Amino acid sequence: EVQLVESGGGLVQPGGSLRLSCAASGFAFSNYWMNWVRQAPGKGLEWVANIKQDGSEKYYVDSVKGRFTISRDNAKNSLYLQMNSLRAEDTAVYYCAREIESSNFWSGYGYWGQGTLVTVSS
Amino acid sequence: DIVMTQSPDSLAVSLGERATINCKSSRSVLYNSNNKNFLAWYQQKPGQPPKLLISWASTRESGVPDRFSGSGSGTDFTLTISSLQAEDVAVYYCHQYYNSPLTFGGGTKVEIK
Repeated sequence: EVQLVESGGGLVQPGGSLRLSCAASGFAFSNYWMNWVRQAPGKGLEWVANIKQDGSEKYYVDSVKGRFTISRDNAKNSLYLQMNSLRAEDTAVYYCAREIESSNFWSGYGYWGQGTLVTVSS
Repeated sequence: DIVMTQSPDSLAVSLGERATINCKSSRSVLYNSNNKNFLAWYQQKPGQPPKLLISWASTRESGVPDRFSGSGSGTDFTLTISSLQAEDVAVYYCHQYYNSPLTFGGGTKVEIK
C-alpha cells in the first residue's frame, strides 16, 4: 500500500525556517517525480515544487524561489522541503504528492499524504 | 504561466441530477507528440487531501464511480457527474501538469439542492 507521511510542520515566526519531511513507503520511491502542494486555510490548492527521480531537475512556483529548496534521499525513501525566510502568506497545509506514473512526463497526483500544517505568525 | 479558470465557483444540484464543471486553460495543454491532454480532476472533501478522479482529461482512475467523466481537449475541459450522490458533496479542482509552474483551477464547490 502506498503511504506518504508528512512531518515537520508547526508554528514559526516570520523570517524563520522549517524543514518538512515526507516518508514514503509501499512503492519504488526512486522511480517517481515527487511534489509539494500547499493549501492555505479555506483556500485552493497551490503547487509548490517538484523534483525528478534522481534529483537532477527541480522546479518551483515563483513565490518560493530562492527561499524554499526541495530535495530527496532515495536511500531513505524520503522527500524534503527546506523553507527559509518564511512569510505569513506561506501559512498552509503542505502535502507531499506522488505522480501517477513512473516516467519522465508529469502525470498528475495519484497519491497524497495527509498534510502537515505550517503556521507563520508572530 | 498557464492560468486555469473554473466555472462556476459553486453549484447546487438535486440528488440524481447532473452536475457539470468547466475548466478553461489560458494555453493548450495538449501535447502533440503523444496526443495527450495534461489535465487532471481532483475531488476534495473537508479535512481530507485531494483525491484524483480523472487524469489525461478523460481517464477515470481505478475505483472511481463511472458517474464521473471527463471530456475536452486543448483549452476547454469538463467534469461531469451524471447522477449526483450525497457523497459527491466536495470541492473539485482541475489541474494542468503540462508545464511549470503546474497550476490548479480555483475550485468548484458542489452541494445538494
